[in-house]
Amino acid sequence: QVQLVESGGGVVQPGRSLRLSCAASGFTFSGYGMHWVRQAPGKGLEWLAVIWYDGSRQEYADSVKGRFTISRDNSKNTLYVQMNSLRAEDTAVYYCARYNGIYSSWDYWGQGTLVTVSS
Amino acid sequence: QSVLTQPPSASGTPGQRVTISCSGSSSNIGSNTINWYQQFPGTAPKLLIYNDNRRPSGVPDRFSGSKSGTSASLAISGLQSEDEANYYCATWDDSLLGGFGGGTKLTVL
Repeated sequence: QVQLVESGGGVVQPGRSLRLSCAASGFTFSGYGMHWVRQAPGKGLEWLAVIWYDGSRQEYADSVKGRFTISRDNSKNTLYVQMNSLRAEDTAVYYCARYNGIYSSWDYWGQGTLVTVSS
Repeated sequence: QSVLTQPPSASGTPGQRVTISCSGSSSNIGSNTINWYQQFPGTAPKLLIYNDNRRPSGVPDRFSGSKSGTSASLAISGLQSEDEANYYCATWDDSLLGGFGGGTKLTVL
């Protein structure tokens, strides 16, 4: 069955960096676009970034453009997001999600990993 | 500030029909399909409706979606207590950027 498992979250000081990972299994990872979505405590969902199935293209929300970098290693079935210059407002649960082109939607999500930016 | 606009809350009694609206613009809803997600506190979102009005397997037919122009709606008929959750609409814009509504908290009275 399809599984997405995020890791790498934790407490980090403002201005520092953190890299999150999303390990995929149960499907052909290299055949799907992948996304990161976050949710601040008590708030709604915020789309962050997408990477094409082959890594050839990435797009970012304005809120993280220039600070976050999405990448993937298809040989390891793993998605990443490198987060630099972290701010208090980046505190959130970070989800990876698989994009299903037939459904034109995110059909599978990980369980999320919490990132807390605090001094 | 969310890309799409949803009412922050909705409510209904068991058995009732409830609708949740989602409004956008010509560059997002108006030119791309809309999806709906259900989220319970502390859990990941679950796909409820895709391509405006299609249900993934396993989603009860009590849930239905519709779209007209730059607005969309999620309808839940035969409301049940287990439907109490947060609901989000989502779509894309012409720059291939994703976007969500602010979410609607559904309360079953």
